[in-house]
Amino acid sequence: NAGVTQTPKFRVLKTGQSMTLLCAQDMNHEYMYWYRQDPGMGLRLIHYSVGEGTTAKGEVPDGYNVSRLKKQNFLLGLESAAPSQTSVYFCASKGLAGLTDTQYFGPGTRLTVL
Amino acid sequence: AQSVTQLGSHVSVSEGALVLLRCNYSSSVPPYLFWYVQYPNQGLQLLLKYTSAATLVKGINGFEAEFKKSETSFHLTKPSAHMSDAAEYFCAVSWSGGYNKLIFGAGTRLAVHP
Repeated sequence: NAGVTQTPKFRVLKTGQSMTLLCAQDMNHEYMYWYRQDPGMGLRLIHYSVGEGTTAKGEVPDGYNVSRLKKQNFLLGLESAAPSQTSVYFCASKGLAGLTDTQYFGPGTRLTVL
Repeated sequence: AQSVTQLGSHVSVSEGALVLLRCNYSSSVPPYLFWYVQYPNQGLQLLLKYTSAATLVKGINGFEAEFKKSETSFHLTKPSAHMSDAAEYFCAVSWSGGYNKLIFGAGTRLAVHP
């Protein structure tokens, strides 16, 4: 099992450009999450999904959109990138065992917006 | 609202010394608590979790944490630090009704010197 994978690993955008980050998991997990990590702020939840075809907003959803068309994939889109979106983005997934079930994280995508 | 505070953004210890990383939480409902570790340029990996079964929780790599409700704390300890423990550590909380989300602390970077 590959676990949680993220594509791409690195990306540089210019202000106003758009892009999509792909997260894939092969553990048949129901829950998937997108976080951003900024120095001194830990991880903050952008959007999450509790199942195929469903999405919900997290703490910092502005400027991002997501889609979960297939259970194994969770896409994060930036329609018009801004320098404030320079960050490291992590995807995670979790099964249905309950609140104490572990979230499994991908390796991250480092995004720079110039 | 739920929140997590990690005291000390940077902690430095000598190899062989005690490691103590502090985490305090705020929750209006019984919390479930987690410690994750992040090695350089990697995703997060679960160290241990409190699920209300036992207040003293043992995790991987010799780490343990004790849930103290009266102090609203979940500090992470290891009796003897190893060079390979150098990483960033995150405390996180989830709770019933929280839609299986995690709220993370800002993180503590642990340095281990010879």
